[in-house]
Amino acid sequence: QVQLQESGPGLVKPSQTLSLTCTVSGGSISSGGYYWSWIRQHPGKGLEWIGYIYYSGSTYYNPSLKSRVTISVDTSKNQFSLKLSSVTAADTAVYYCARDRGYSGSPFDYWGQGTLVTVSS
Amino acid sequence: QSALTQPASVSGSPGQSITISCTGTSSDVGSYNLVSWYQQHPGKAPKLMIYEVSKRPSGVSNRFSGSKSGNTASLTISGLQAEDEADYYCCSYAGSYVFGTGTKVTVL
Repeated sequence: QVQLQESGPGLVKPSQTLSLTCTVSGGSISSGGYYWSWIRQHPGKGLEWIGYIYYSGSTYYNPSLKSRVTISVDTSKNQFSLKLSSVTAADTAVYYCARDRGYSGSPFDYWGQGTLVTVSS
Repeated sequence: QSALTQPASVSGSPGQSITISCTGTSSDVGSYNLVSWYQQHPGKAPKLMIYEVSKRPSGVSNRFSGSKSGNTASLTISGLQAEDEADYYCCSYAGSYVFGTGTKVTVL
């Protein structure tokens, strides 16, 4: 059973960079066959896909966030990470990591529990 | 890409059937049979309920079914149960992923 767990600071100051890590257990990122995504949910609102990474390091980002997003992978630690630069209060959200089934448009079948990140001075 | 449009709330009595709509455009829902549905209980992560319009993952009750017509996808919950009370989100692929606005399902 694949499990994902987000970790990182719960509070980030405006204009700084938000950094989160997702640790995967029960399966190896380097085995391939899946894309690893970040998805966020603003308080009381809907879901927004941020982007994904393949084990090889290839990425694809939501065009609306592309200029501020970097997703990277560390296969030795079985982790992938999110960096979101120049954050504002509008970036306050619960951030989820998730796995999809490895083809374009495939569904997200495993999710982390989510971590709340608040942007505030 | 704009969020897909869902009704804010849908309610039904136990045992009844309800349907949640998800309206997009010819660039997303209408172009791809890659619509999925997620159930989210308060404080929990979303759970995949339907994918590729009408397929059910292993372990999901057959009370949940999906369909699509044109630019609108639908999720039907039959034999409504108390445990079905949750938020539901549709999601479509359109080059990237776009989610719906979400629907709160209340079991009366």
